[in-house]
Amino acid sequence: DTEVTQTPKHLVMGMTNKKSLKCEQHMGHRAMYWYKQKAKKPPELMFVYSYEKLSINESVPSRFSPECPNSSLLNLHLHALQPEDSALYLCASSLSGWDRGNQPQHFGDGTRLSIL
Amino acid sequence: AQTVTQSQPEMSVQEAETVTLSCTYDTSESNYYLFWYKQPPSRQMILVIRQEAYKQQNATENRFSVNFQKAAKSFSLKISDSQLGDTAMYFCAFMTGANSKLTFGKGITLSVRP
Repeated sequence: DTEVTQTPKHLVMGMTNKKSLKCEQHMGHRAMYWYKQKAKKPPELMFVYSYEKLSINESVPSRFSPECPNSSLLNLHLHALQPEDSALYLCASSLSGWDRGNQPQHFGDGTRLSIL
Repeated sequence: AQTVTQSQPEMSVQEAETVTLSCTYDTSESNYYLFWYKQPPSRQMILVIRQEAYKQQNATENRFSVNFQKAAKSFSLKISDSQLGDTAMYFCAFMTGANSKLTFGKGITLSVRP
């Protein structure tokens, strides 16, 4: 069983829709991550929150908007997405903050997003 | 900048046999960590094994073990007694001690045949 929970598991949306992806962890982890993954490719880092503050934005288009309401919850708000945004979106968390690289990242099951 | 290379795109192994997945990396850092992640078709990325660069002893987790050759910058994963449930994509990943960024290799698709 994954300790990082992502909802929904699948999402189909039109290019004009607004939707949100949700990620939760209750392990007391201090860093949370959003990744985008295309089929048969490694995950690509999008955003990092460390101690509830945005630490890294890997030049992600503004149609993706992250939010960290509290230490256990991470959202990704989606608006006006393009067909090329169709992918698996993975959330991960790690015990240490972003500036301490000694703890593995633990991943959720992902949300499979399809843009019509 | 760090790079991770997995040169084999696919491998196949008979059930109950042993298979080794290769990974090499390049870094100028002295403090770093290496990981193998497994991603089955169910899509969750699962941590298989972790190796600290400062440890000479190779990490093991049940049927999974690594051969860590620091001088050669090599980090291969050995899977013993392969099981059908080992069928997955396997990613080698690197993390420096400075931050939590994971640098992934391209991955290798492993198929276990019954």
